[in-house]
Amino acid sequence: GAGVSQTPSNKVTEKGKYVELRCDPISGHTALYWYRQSLGQGPEFLIYFQGTGAADDSGLPNDRFFAVRPEGSVSTLKIQRTERGDSAVYLCASSFRLAADTQYFGPGTRLTVL
Amino acid sequence: GESVGLHLPTLSVQEGDNSIINCAYSNSASDYFIWYKQESGKGPQFIIDIRSNMDKRQGQRVTVLLNKTVKHLSLQIAATQPGDSAVYFCAENISGANSKLTFGKGITLSVRP
Repeated sequence: GAGVSQTPSNKVTEKGKYVELRCDPISGHTALYWYRQSLGQGPEFLIYFQGTGAADDSGLPNDRFFAVRPEGSVSTLKIQRTERGDSAVYLCASSFRLAADTQYFGPGTRLTVL
Repeated sequence: GESVGLHLPTLSVQEGDNSIINCAYSNSASDYFIWYKQESGKGPQFIIDIRSNMDKRQGQRVTVLLNKTVKHLSLQIAATQPGDSAVYFCAENISGANSKLTFGKGITLSVRP
């Protein structure tokens, strides 16, 4: 079956611009996660949705970052006034139900802020 | 602080040999552990997981061992193949609490032909 998909695969933007990154979870998965991965590092948690609501957004670095999941399926990560330090691979994962269910990752979106 | 870490940054093995990748974790409350494989340009791929009520779990060519006494996790890959070359991450989670996975930095496995 189809896995987690993310678009775009690559995004280049200029400092100060606004970007949106999209995630399509595995069909039927109610839990959705966003992580950020810098070069040579492991993924770092950003936010977790259970259904439509953000159950845990403790990993969002500041108020420039926001994510939504209005219908409990597709999610969009939004970054305002991008900074060069936001450059990273943004990974989305989904799991069937609870947090301890296996998280399956998408291919990521590589964001480059010039 | 609490963290998940890996002892070695790189591991080079001969094709056909067995590989052992080690991981230390420090959060004694963690009760769910996962190994992921990440190839260049791709997202992490689930390999195998283990819950804290187990010491060992086997999959196809892979075995995960958990030693809660010393907070140590290992991944054993039997008959390592060139396709096993990748970065491997261990991750931990506290089920029933916050849902985030905490990852280590990763170790690169390089398979020599």
